[in-house]
Amino acid sequence: NAGVMQNPRHLVRRRGQEARLRCSPMKGHSHVYWYRQLPEEGLKFMVYLQKENIIDESGMPKERFSAEFPKEGPSILRIQQVVRGDSAAYFCASSPPSGLAGPTDTQYFGPGTRLTVL
Amino acid sequence: SQQGEEDPQALSIQEGENATMNCSYKTSINNLQWYRQNSGRGLVHLILIRSNEREKHSGRLRVTLDTSKKSSSLLITASRAADTASYFCATDGRYGNKLVFGAGTILRVKS
Repeated sequence: NAGVMQNPRHLVRRRGQEARLRCSPMKGHSHVYWYRQLPEEGLKFMVYLQKENIIDESGMPKERFSAEFPKEGPSILRIQQVVRGDSAAYFCASSPPSGLAGPTDTQYFGPGTRLTVL
Repeated sequence: SQQGEEDPQALSIQEGENATMNCSYKTSINNLQWYRQNSGRGLVHLILIRSNEREKHSGRLRVTLDTSKKSSSLLITASRAADTASYFCATDGRYGNKLVFGAGTILRVKS
C-alpha cells in the first residue's frame, strides 16, 4: 500500500507565476489536509478537505491560495501570483474515512513539496 | 506562546543515552501525537496518546501525558545515531481534524 504521494518534490517559480502542488492520499483515505512549514518552524495547518468538499480552510490565506479535492484525481493546492514569502515546504496528509466518532486520529504525511520562489 | 510547544529546542546526546523531550499545550485535546522529521524529509508518525491515557510505549519510545498540566513527554531510550532528527508534538482541536504543531526539538545523537 503506497503512502501519501506528493509531486513535484521540488518546484521553482518566479514571482507572479502560479504554483500547483498535487497530493494523492493513501489508498482508501478520503480526508486530505495541507500544511505549510517555514524554515526552522513547525507545520501550520492550511486546509482540510474531503472528496469534493472543503471542510475547514481556516489556515488558508484569504487571497491567492485555493485547494480542491475532486471526485477523481489528486488534491491540488494552487498558489496564484507567487511571492517570495510563499517559499516553504508544503505537506499533505491523509486519514481514513471517519467513523461515528468523527475523523480518525492519525494523519499520514507525504514527503512534501519544497517551493522556492525566485 | 503557541499550542504544542516543545522544549528543549535542541538536544545533543551521546549514542546509548536517553533523550527526553517535552511538549506543552493550552487547550483541551482528544489526543496528542509525536512525529519525527529527518532533515529535508516528510513527517513520520511515531505514537498517539489519547486524553484518557497516561502512558504509552512503542519499542524504545515512551510517551506520557498529563492533562492536568497540559504537557507530554517523549522519551527515547538507548538512542542511536539514526534517531538524529527533529521531533514534533501535535495536538488535535476539539473537532479532531487539524493538527497544531509546535516548533519542534532538534535531537542530535553523536556516535
